[in-house]
Amino acid sequence: EDQVTQSPEALRLQEGESSSLNCSYTVSGLRGLFWYRQDPGKGPEFLFTLYSAGEEKEKERLKATLTKKESFLHITAPKPEDSATYLCAVQAEGQNFVFGPGTRLSVLP
Amino acid sequence: NAGVMQNPRHLVRRRGQEARLRCSPMKGHSHVYWYRQLPEEGLKFMVYLQKENIIDESGMPKERFSAEFPKEGPSILRIQQVVRGDSAAYFCASSRGLSYEQYFGPGTRLTVT
Repeated sequence: EDQVTQSPEALRLQEGESSSLNCSYTVSGLRGLFWYRQDPGKGPEFLFTLYSAGEEKEKERLKATLTKKESFLHITAPKPEDSATYLCAVQAEGQNFVFGPGTRLSVLP
Repeated sequence: NAGVMQNPRHLVRRRGQEARLRCSPMKGHSHVYWYRQLPEEGLKFMVYLQKENIIDESGMPKERFSAEFPKEGPSILRIQQVVRGDSAAYFCASSRGLSYEQYFGPGTRLTVT
C-alpha cells in the first residue's frame, strides 16, 4: 500500500531561521511528488511538482528536492507569512494522489 | 482565469437531511477530484471523475454518498441522510489530466447538527 509520512508534525522557527521539512514515501512506480501549502480555513495551494530523483524546484524562499525515497522542502530565511501547513502528495502510475498528514509551520517574528 | 469554485462555502444540515456540494473546475480542466479533510487530519481521496464518468470511487463510502460530473454544469457530491460523522471540510480539485498537478477550491465546510 502506498504510504506518505511527513516530519516533523509541527515546527516553530524564528524569523530568518532556515530549516527543512521532510516527506518520506513508499510507492511503486512514482509518477510525481507534489508540494502544497494550506492556510487555515482554505484549500491547498499548489507549490511544486517533482518527477524524478535529483530534481529541484525553487520559488522565492522555498526549494524542493527529491530522492528515491523522500523529498525535502527547504525554507530559507522564513518570514511570518510562510506560516502554514505544508502538505506533500505522491502519485503512482495510474493512481490517484496520496497525501501526507502535513507539517504545521509557525514562523515567529 | 477563475480558479476552482465551490459552493456553498458553509453548509449546516440536521441529521437525516441531504447535503449537496458543488464544484466548478478551472477553465480547461476536465478532471475533478473530491477529498474530505477532518480537523488536524490530512486530505483523504474520495472520488475521481471526468465528464459524465466516474473513474475511481474507491475512497467514497458505498452507502449514502454519490458523485456526478454531468456534461453541462458543475460536479456534485451528494450525501444522503447525513450523520454527525459526516461533518468535515470537503475539497474539490481539478486538473488537466491524471498525472498533472491538482488545483483546489476553497472547500465546503459541512456541519451536521
